[in-house]
Amino acid sequence: EIVLTQSPGTLSLSPGERATLSCRASQSVSSNYLAWYQQKPGQAPRLLIYGASSRATGIPDRFSGSGSGTDFTLTISRLEPEDFAVYYCQQYGSSPYTFGQGTKLEIK
Amino acid sequence: QVQLQESGPGLVKPSETLSLTCTVSGGSISSHYWNWIRQPAGKGLEWIGGIYFSASTNYNPSLKSRVTMSVDTSKNQFSLKLTSVTAADTAVYYCARRTDIVSNWYFDLWGRGTLVTVSS
Repeated sequence: EIVLTQSPGTLSLSPGERATLSCRASQSVSSNYLAWYQQKPGQAPRLLIYGASSRATGIPDRFSGSGSGTDFTLTISRLEPEDFAVYYCQQYGSSPYTFGQGTKLEIK
Repeated sequence: QVQLQESGPGLVKPSETLSLTCTVSGGSISSHYWNWIRQPAGKGLEWIGGIYFSASTNYNPSLKSRVTMSVDTSKNQFSLKLTSVTAADTAVYYCARRTDIVSNWYFDLWGRGTLVTVSS
């Protein structure tokens, strides 16, 4: 089973700043099959990125994904108030499909 | 647009069976893999497994011995049964749709989730 480790656990930033979230896999993720989700309190996760770098339908272009192999990054170029949430990465290169423990992005 | 809604008991006794149903509205269940994912309070997400409309299944090995999924295409519903539950199974349970891209197990549509508590 591939273990995903996200860092930092909590990231405190201000609106307008740039956010960089990391996801590291315990082994290489096949075909860079890595997705990112955003979850707000009391809501279901929302797909942001798939295939490490492809934005899902309707996702603003301030969200971008990069990386390959074992190291992946989600970047939010300029934080909007609605971006403060918990972010999860998920690998789907091999079963069982696993998630990271999450990074909480909070307002500084 | 397609929506997912979970339903089922919010309280289950230890050692009993957890049963949940997800209703797909606004679209047909006869495509995609349909999945269950859970999230204990304050923790991360765990994929439980998925089922295709043809009833082909793919389960997480860690739960496989206790999990059964089924699909009812006439009702546009799919279901989860988890046997021999313990307090560790207390979580918010989400149903989710896998993308229709073959062999890509990421989830592009989620239900709102339902809390299931295991307690006597």
